[in-house]
Order: sequence, then structure tokens, then C-alpha cells
Amino acid sequence: AQSVTQLGSHVSVSEGALVLLRCNYSSSVPPYLFWYVQYPNQGLQLLLKYTSAATLVKGINGFEAEFKKSETSFHLTKPSAHMSDAAEYFCAVSVGTSGSRLTFGEGTQLTVNP
Amino acid sequence: GVTQSPTHLIKTRGQQVTLRCSSQSGHNTVSWYQQALGQGPQFIFQYYREEENGRGNFPPRFSGLQFPNDSSELNVNALELDDSALYLCASSLAGHTGYGYTFGSGTRLTVV
Repeated sequence: AQSVTQLGSHVSVSEGALVLLRCNYSSSVPPYLFWYVQYPNQGLQLLLKYTSAATLVKGINGFEAEFKKSETSFHLTKPSAHMSDAAEYFCAVSVGTSGSRLTFGEGTQLTVNP
Repeated sequence: GVTQSPTHLIKTRGQQVTLRCSSQSGHNTVSWYQQALGQGPQFIFQYYREEENGRGNFPPRFSGLQFPNDSSELNVNALELDDSALYLCASSLAGHTGYGYTFGSGTRLTVV
């Protein structure tokens, strides 16, 4: 069975600083990996996805993530944080044996300080 | 996109509830997730071609339907206080896992 671990339930950065949200996965087969963002009282919006093509994936709003098989990681980064980035971020994994079931991490709440 | 109704709902313990979802045009698979406060979404089940096609660790009182027009329902019987959560519907295209999943804005269910 696959699983996802997000290190740090809360991350706080200053506006303009680097954003780094950590995600490690466990899977016995090559995974599909996703990052979603959730604003208060809203659903999930897809930021980016890894589907076994390029290991460095660029998403919306300036975010990107790098798939590192040797480290089983898929960390999310953004060079310069903006106040509007404050939200909950979820890493998720899906593998072929589970159909299109997504397994989510517990989430990381990002706070951006002025 | 994916639309869900209602947006908010308050029910009494022991009652039954039906939540509704309309999938994104062109998608043929719908999945339902439960997101308790402060947690990540948990997979409830998935429907493809009107049949259940995978289920998470949820009891049988959670059931669903998918209709030919790709709309779907989540039914929960004998509501418990712990069923209070945000329920998310997601649609996708079978066989194209890498295309991703489109989520609705959810239904916030409160059981009192």
C-alpha cells in the first residue's frame, strides 16, 4: 500500500522568502504524485503533478517540485512567497494497482508573514 | 468543473443524508473523500460505469450511486457525530490517472 508523509504540519515564512514544503512517499510501484492547495472553506486545487516524465515539475502560481526516486521525495518549492500563498497544502500519491485512488498526507499549513 | 450540493448541511445523529455531485464534462469516474477537520482527505469509494470500483476503510452505511449522466450521490445512514466533516467529490478519466483529478468545493456536514 502507498503512503505519504508531510514533514511539518505548520510552516511559517516571510513574504519574499523561499517556500519549501516536504513530502516523502512510500510505494512499491512507480507512483503518480500530486500537490494540491486548499484555501479556507474551499475544495482542493491542483498545483502540479508528476507522471513519470520530467523529474522537475512546474505548476501554477510559481510553484515547482522535484521527484527524487532515491530519496522517495517530492518536495514543493517556490522562490519567493507571496501573502496569497497562505493556505493548506496536501501531497498525494496514486499508483496503478489502486486505480485512481488518491492517498493524501496530513497537510502543511503555510503562513506568510509580512 | 465539479459541482457539489448542498454546500452546508446540519443533521441529527441517527438521521440519513444524501450529498450530490456533478462531474466535470468528459470524465467517467467519480470518487468521494471525507476530510475531517485538520486532516487530509480520506478515500471513501470510487464509481466507474455506475458500479463501485474501489472502497476505502469506511463501513457499509456509506454508500453511493453513479448515474448515466455522470452525476453521483453519497448516502450516509445512521449518522454519527464523527461523520462531521467536509465531503469532497472528485472526477477523473478512467485509465488516465496521470491527468489528475478535479475536485469540487465540498459539502460541509455537521452532525449534532
